[in-house]
Amino acid sequence: EEQLVDSGGGLVQPGGSLRLSCAASGFTFRSYWMNWVRQAPGKGLEWVANIKEDGTETYYVDSVKGRFTISRDNTKNSLYLQMNSLSNEDTAVYYCVRARWELRAFDIWGQGTMVTVSS
Amino acid sequence: SYELTQPPSVSVSPGQTASITCSGDKLGDKYTCWYQQKAGQSPVIVIYQDTKRPSGIPERFSGSNSGNTATLIITGTQALDEADYYCQAWDSTSPQVFGGGTKLTVL
Repeated sequence: EEQLVDSGGGLVQPGGSLRLSCAASGFTFRSYWMNWVRQAPGKGLEWVANIKEDGTETYYVDSVKGRFTISRDNTKNSLYLQMNSLSNEDTAVYYCVRARWELRAFDIWGQGTMVTVSS
Repeated sequence: SYELTQPPSVSVSPGQTASITCSGDKLGDKYTCWYQQKAGQSPVIVIYQDTKRPSGIPERFSGSNSGNTATLIITGTQALDEADYYCQAWDSTSPQVFGGGTKLTVL
């Protein structure tokens, strides 16, 4: 079964840091662009960042540029999101998501991990 | 930046047809997909490339996209279809954009 399992969320103070992880299984991880998408409580979906199959290209939504870093380790079938200088506005469920270019869609989503930024 | 607009809510009676729209500038020139998110769950793709259904998605789900509007259509709506629905305009360059979401209520 193709699966993504998100982890690493928790409670962090404003200005703090957190590193999210996503473990992929059941498919050839190194063959896909990967994404992080977040959803603030009671709000809609917001794309956060993505990374090319080999990690050579990364892109971010403007609100996280310079604070968040997406990375991957294809030897460990894992995706990461390093989040620094966190603010209350970053409070959300963060989903690891696989992109299928041939479908022009996100076809597999992790279960999500909650990040709460609060003092 | 590109924006997609969805109605906040749509109501439908069981067995009837529900239509959820997604509007954006020249949206018909892009591929649109739709995600269903039930309460407390992760999103699930129900339509991709405007009109195609992934395996396992019931035939009652269909889509269209033309001009500035894409539409998700659910025929013979069932109570289990009650969920939030999000459109996404696929862009070959980032950022990817989602609509604000539509809460479908089956009355």
